[in-house]
Amino acid sequence: EDQVTQSPEALRLQEGESSSLNCSYTVSGLRGLFWYRQDPGKGPEFLFTLYSAGEEKEKERLKATLTKKESFLHITAPKPEDSATYLCAVQDNGGGYQKVTFGIGTKLQVIP
Amino acid sequence: NAGVTQTPKFQVLKTGQSMTLQCAQDMNHEYMSWYRQDPGMGLRLIHYSVGAGITDQGEVPNGYNVSRSTTEDFPLRLLSAAPSQTSVYFCASSYSRTGNTEAFFGQGTRLTVV
Repeated sequence: EDQVTQSPEALRLQEGESSSLNCSYTVSGLRGLFWYRQDPGKGPEFLFTLYSAGEEKEKERLKATLTKKESFLHITAPKPEDSATYLCAVQDNGGGYQKVTFGIGTKLQVIP
Repeated sequence: NAGVTQTPKFQVLKTGQSMTLQCAQDMNHEYMSWYRQDPGMGLRLIHYSVGAGITDQGEVPNGYNVSRSTTEDFPLRLLSAAPSQTSVYFCASSYSRTGNTEAFFGQGTRLTVV
């Protein structure tokens, strides 16, 4: 069974204090790993898709990396507007349906 | 370009009532899906569709029906609402039929069953 574990569950940072969020996953074969941002009361907003180990993608202060067992979302010099819940999800390339398994998320708070 | 539109945003149902959650997308995406999000749990897939006329079950399909008569619309029907179906429901779409590309989510429907 596919599993996604995100850590920490919550993270509080001072503005400008860089850190990383972790997503550990177990799949029989990875079709894709996704990062989303979710603001309170809103739907998830797409950030990145990673398809193979060693792949990296960047967007503004965010950088996502992927290994065979985990992905990291690095946040450099965060600002208060980066406060949100960050969701990780994986899609297995096997199984009977196009299943995407989501983690519970990391709730990030950036304090001015 | 509206993206993915869900209606209603909020709904209260009595146990045993039925209702339809609407979802429409204007991006001509093949893949559409319904998720529920509960506290302490990740988003869980209810049903999905890889194109008009094609639907299939996800992880938690019991108590829900879907249909896909057009590319744009993917309604979710609750047959006989139960308190366990109290949740936030999200509809999503992506252009790849395999669903392994970025998904666009609606704003969600917060459903309470009393």
